[in-house]
Amino acid sequence: GNSVTQMEGPVTLSEEAFLTINCTYTATGYPSLFWYVQYPGEGLQLLLKATKADDKGSNKGFEATYRKETTSFHLEKGSVQVSDSAVYFCALIDNSGGYQKVTFGTGTKLQVIP
Amino acid sequence: EAGVTQFPSHSVIEKGQTVTLRCDPISGHDNLYWYRRVMGKEIKFLLHFVKESKQDESGMPNNRFLAERTGGTYSTLKVQPAELEDSGVYFCASSFSRTGKVTFGSGTRLTVV
Repeated sequence: GNSVTQMEGPVTLSEEAFLTINCTYTATGYPSLFWYVQYPGEGLQLLLKATKADDKGSNKGFEATYRKETTSFHLEKGSVQVSDSAVYFCALIDNSGGYQKVTFGTGTKLQVIP
Repeated sequence: EAGVTQFPSHSVIEKGQTVTLRCDPISGHDNLYWYRRVMGKEIKFLLHFVKESKQDESGMPNNRFLAERTGGTYSTLKVQPAELEDSGVYFCASSFSRTGKVTFGSGTRLTVV
């Protein structure tokens, strides 16, 4: 079956530090990959996505590249802000199923301190 | 366009009681999904509706959980009787088959005491 593994949290960084949250996946087909974010008190929001190998998703200064050879989709940001504090979920959708069932990782809580 | 709406946003109930969660998908979305996150673990798939039909309910934990989608519009997820381990955040999501974009609601935080 499909699975997503992401690094354990929580991650605590100082403002303007570099962020990496590792994510690897296992899938039977050719999935689309996603990062979702949940800010405190809010719902899940799509942060970025990549639909095929070597695609780079980017949004709000965050980036992730779909690496088929290493089955990875690591999230990076060059300079984090306090407002980036949230829980980040790596996820995939297996496109072979005919519908959009999402498989999530465990989530990584990021806390950015001033 | 209005997003996916869930209510209540929070619910605290005693063990053995019944709770019903509601989800209103984006208008016109034929696919509706329920997910759950318990105690800092991964968000797990519960089930999937296509219009009013259950397409995949492989993630439903046991027969204390009952989901319905009346007329292919809103959906309810009833837990009866609730147990302590049912505590968590229940997310609903919807999508339109032709576009495939999945939109999540804000979730319902359920606490069973």
